[in-house]
Amino acid sequence: GQQVMQIPQYQHVQEGEDFTTYCNSSTTLSNIQWYKQRPGGHPVFLIQLVKSGEVKKQKRLTFQFGEAKKNSSLHITATQTTDVGTYFCAGPQSGGYQKVTFGTGTKLQVIP
Amino acid sequence: NAGVTQTPKFQVLKTGQSMTLQCAQDMNHEYMSWYRQDPGMGLRLIHYSVGAGITDQGEVPNGYNVSRSTTEDFPLRLLSAAPSQTSVYFCASSLGQGHQPQHFGDGTRLSIL
Repeated sequence: GQQVMQIPQYQHVQEGEDFTTYCNSSTTLSNIQWYKQRPGGHPVFLIQLVKSGEVKKQKRLTFQFGEAKKNSSLHITATQTTDVGTYFCAGPQSGGYQKVTFGTGTKLQVIP
Repeated sequence: NAGVTQTPKFQVLKTGQSMTLQCAQDMNHEYMSWYRQDPGMGLRLIHYSVGAGITDQGEVPNGYNVSRSTTEDFPLRLLSAAPSQTSVYFCASSLGQGHQPQHFGDGTRLSIL
């Protein structure tokens, strides 16, 4: 079945440093979604990318969808303590929208 | 606007007991799903539904049953609880299928002794 891996699993950064998490799928994705989960909370939708090679920005966050639609990345510039949490990518397998597979997640800790 | 409501928030069961985790949404979403979250494994899809009367298995369906008699409700049943089912369970809904963002409930933290 479809597998979606994220690296790194954990990342500790000093406040102000940049952070990147990478998402790799074993199969082509119809789209890629990114979610953030604060400690003790539930996943919250951040953004969706649909087109091959698409890049979207939300303030300090930059999201990219790979040309082959099998990988994606999230880059945070100048991290803040409010960025703490676990970031998940997710996507339905290409050709079918019903089963959404979540990545393994990257847990970000920001040291003040 | 309540969104997705899950009950209970916490539950402790003994091995072999059965219980139902409740999930309700008030956004008229057709697609609903159940995930379990375990450390280091992300969220794994248990069952999902694309509309009332239609359900299907996800990645880890064994030991769980679901039904969807109304658009609003999507309960998850544990038939005979096992320690391996200790986890945090999240219910989610979306307007469409996998190509639409999912809205999550607050989760149910379940411990099986």
